Amino acid sequence: SQTIHQWPATLVQPVGSPLSLECTVEGTSNPNLYWYRQAAGRGLQLLFYSVGIGQISSEVPQNLSASRPQDRQFILSSKKLLLSDSGFYLCAWSGGASYEQYFGPGTRLTVT
Amino acid sequence: SQKIEQNSEALNIQEGKTATLTCNYTNYSPAYLQWYRQDPGRGPVFLLLIRENEKEKRKERLKVTFDTTLKQSLFHITASQPADSATYLCALPGSARQLTFGSGTQLTVLP
Repeated sequence: SQTIHQWPATLVQPVGSPLSLECTVEGTSNPNLYWYRQAAGRGLQLLFYSVGIGQISSEVPQNLSASRPQDRQFILSSKKLLLSDSGFYLCAWSGGASYEQYFGPGTRLTVT
Repeated sequence: SQKIEQNSEALNIQEGKTATLTCNYTNYSPAYLQWYRQDPGRGPVFLLLIRENEKEKRKERLKVTFDTTLKQSLFHITASQPADSATYLCALPGSARQLTFGSGTQLTVLP
């Protein structure tokens, strides 16, 4: 069966510090991968999606970036965090003939 | 621009009653629509997908309808239980299987 991992689970970082969040998927190949952010009490905002290694599409302009160095690995990064980057970051995958997305456990990021 | 609205940010109902949640959209012609459940501090969990040529879909106590003329989907939970308390999100597809989510409806089932 497929599983999706995210780490770390929680993170507190000062403004201006770098960020690296990692997401890996097991049990499937060539998944579509997604990064979302959810601000407190708000809906999900799609940040990036990837349909293959090295292929990244950005949905919103921001100081975040994403990379997909391996088929089942998706990394979200920032060189300098802003207060507004605080939120709940979720990675998800979809694949095959199905259209539903499967979400990881999320990373709670607080920028202080 | 495309827009998804889930009315009633919060909905409280009595245990045993049917909960009905609404998802309206504009400037979309989706081939399908999805519903997810999200518990606090957790990622959303997929519940149901309904295609544009399906009027209704059921899964256990869940029922979803899809009216492409009204541009609306209704999500029903029959015989609701306190364990059904959660936020329910509708989602519509983009061109590369990415999804745009509504802001969600927080359902509380009172014992």
